[in-house]
Formats: sequence, structure tokens, C-alpha cells
Amino acid sequence: GNSVTQMEGPVTLSEEAFLTINCTYTATGYPSLFWYVQYPGEGLQLLLKATKADDKGSNKGFEATYRKETTSFHLEKGSVQVSDSAVYFCALRSGAGSYQLTFGKGTKLSVIP
Amino acid sequence: GAGVSQSPSNKVTEKGKDVELRCDPISGHTALYWYRQSLGQGLEFLIYFQGNSAPDKSGLPSDRFSAERTGGSVSTLTIQRTQQEDSAVYLCASSRIYSYTGELFFGEGSRLTVL
Repeated sequence: GNSVTQMEGPVTLSEEAFLTINCTYTATGYPSLFWYVQYPGEGLQLLLKATKADDKGSNKGFEATYRKETTSFHLEKGSVQVSDSAVYFCALRSGAGSYQLTFGKGTKLSVIP
Repeated sequence: GAGVSQSPSNKVTEKGKDVELRCDPISGHTALYWYRQSLGQGLEFLIYFQGNSAPDKSGLPSDRFSAERTGGSVSTLTIQRTQQEDSAVYLCASSRIYSYTGELFFGEGSRLTVL
């Protein structure tokens, strides 16, 4: 079956530090990959996506590259801000005809001034 | 409304009681999902509705859980004879059918605490 494994949290960084949150997956076929973010008191929202191998998703300074050879989709940001404090979820959809997203357990990020 | 609306935002109940959680999806979205978010467990798929098709109930953890979607819009998740392990945040999401992006739009969730 499909599964997503992401690094354990919580992660605490100082403002302007470099961020990496690791995500690896197991899936059949050719999945699409996503990062969702949940800010305090809000619902989950899509941060970025990649639908095929070697695609790079990017948004709000965050990036993630779909690596089929390592089955990974690590989230990176060069310089985090306090406003990036949130819980980040890696997710996959197993194919074009699939409607269900499989999520990782989430990684809580806290950025301190 | 502009987004997915869920109610109540918080519910505290006693073990053995029944609870109902409501979800109002984004207008025009034909797909509706329920997920459960437990502490340290990530998001667990519960049920999926698509238009007038039979729902995918494969994620419901027991027969105490049921859900319906009336008129292709509002959905209600019902938990009968609640147990302490049912304590979690229940998330509803909606999307357009055949959304190329696969993007789901989530509500803020209903936090259920079973005493």
C-alpha cells in the first residue's frame, strides 16, 4: 500500500536559518506528491506540489523536488521566518485516477526570533 | 461560503454518548472527505463522497462510525457510543472532481474530547 514517512518533530530553528524536512514515500505507479501546511488555528492548505519525477514545486520560498530514484520529496527553505511556524504534512496521491491523499504524520516547525 | 465550514469547533462529551459533526463544503465541490487527526498520528482517511456515487467507507474504524451527505452538499459524521480513543480532531475537506492538482480544501476541524 501507499505510505509517507516524514522526519520526526518538533523542529526549532532561529529566524533566517535553513530548513529541511525530509519526506520519503512508498507507492505503486506514478504518484503525485504534495506538501500541506497547517498554521495555528487554521485548516490545512496546499503549500506546493509536483506531479512527475524531477518536477520542482515551489511557493512562498519553499521548494521540494520529486526524486523518483530515492522516492523522496524533501521540503526546503533557505531562510525561515517566524511566520513559517506551523505543522507541515507530506502527502501523495497514487495516480491520476485516484482521489485519496495519503499523509505523513506531520512535522511541527517553530521559528524563534 | 468561501471555505469549508465545520461545526462544532469543539465538542466535549461523555463516554457512551453519540455525537454528530457537520461539514459544509465549498459550493460547487462535488468531492467530500473526512479525515481524523490524532495526536502524533497524522491524518487518517475515514470516508469519501463523490456526487451521487456510493461512498468509499473503507477508512471507518468501526461500525460505530457513519456518515451521510444529503443533497450532494452538507455532510454529517456520526459517532455512536463514543469511546476515549475517539478523541481527535475530525477534518473535512472538499475538492472539485478530477482536480488536476489533487488539491483538497480543508476546514478548521472539529476537536472531539471524550471523557
